[in-house]
Amino acid sequence: DAGVIQSPRHEVTEMGQEVTLRCKPISGHNSLFWYRQTMMRGLELLIYFNNNVPIDDSGMPEDRFSAKMPNASFSTLKIQPSEPRDSAVYFCASSLGLAGAYEQFFGPGTRLTVL
Amino acid sequence: SQQGEEDPQALSIQEGENATMNCSYKTSINNLQWYRQNSGRGLVHLNLIRSNEREKHSGRLRVTLDTSKKSSSLLITASRAADTASYFCATVGIQGAQKLVFGQGTRLTINP
Repeated sequence: DAGVIQSPRHEVTEMGQEVTLRCKPISGHNSLFWYRQTMMRGLELLIYFNNNVPIDDSGMPEDRFSAKMPNASFSTLKIQPSEPRDSAVYFCASSLGLAGAYEQFFGPGTRLTVL
Repeated sequence: SQQGEEDPQALSIQEGENATMNCSYKTSINNLQWYRQNSGRGLVHLNLIRSNEREKHSGRLRVTLDTSKKSSSLLITASRAADTASYFCATVGIQGAQKLVFGQGTRLTINP
């Protein structure tokens, strides 16, 4: 199994631009998570899908952030417009079931730099 | 809050020694999980211990859970240079969406 796949691995953009991060979960997993990791705030859960339906988006910082999961094998996290404080590593993870009951498998992350 | 807090924040030991990392939390949990993160990589699951369990072993790893003290420990025996990484505990509460809430992590360095 290829594991969780994220693209791009690195993204450098200018303030105000739209950024789209992509994730392909492990086949057969029905839960998908987007996290953000920074030195200051650590690892934060942004949003969590189960069976393609958003279950908890309380971690999404602002309306500038949106996430979709159109099918079981693909999800996007979009930031529009981007700001320098959005610079972080964004991780996608997937699991077999509900968040707490199973281990989560993390992708390699997307390092986002907003200038 | 539910968030786990690791202690110490950083730990440096010699190869072959044992490494112990601790995690404390504030609210009742369903389970507690430990993850490892190598520099520049994603997190890797190490262990899941449920609230009704007290100890689990996996190879050189030993995880304990004391719900009365709201604390957990991760012990790595006979450490190796490859164990150098950050280690995170993550708690799952008994209410709400049951999402993982990560602590700030312990940075472990194994010196050859």
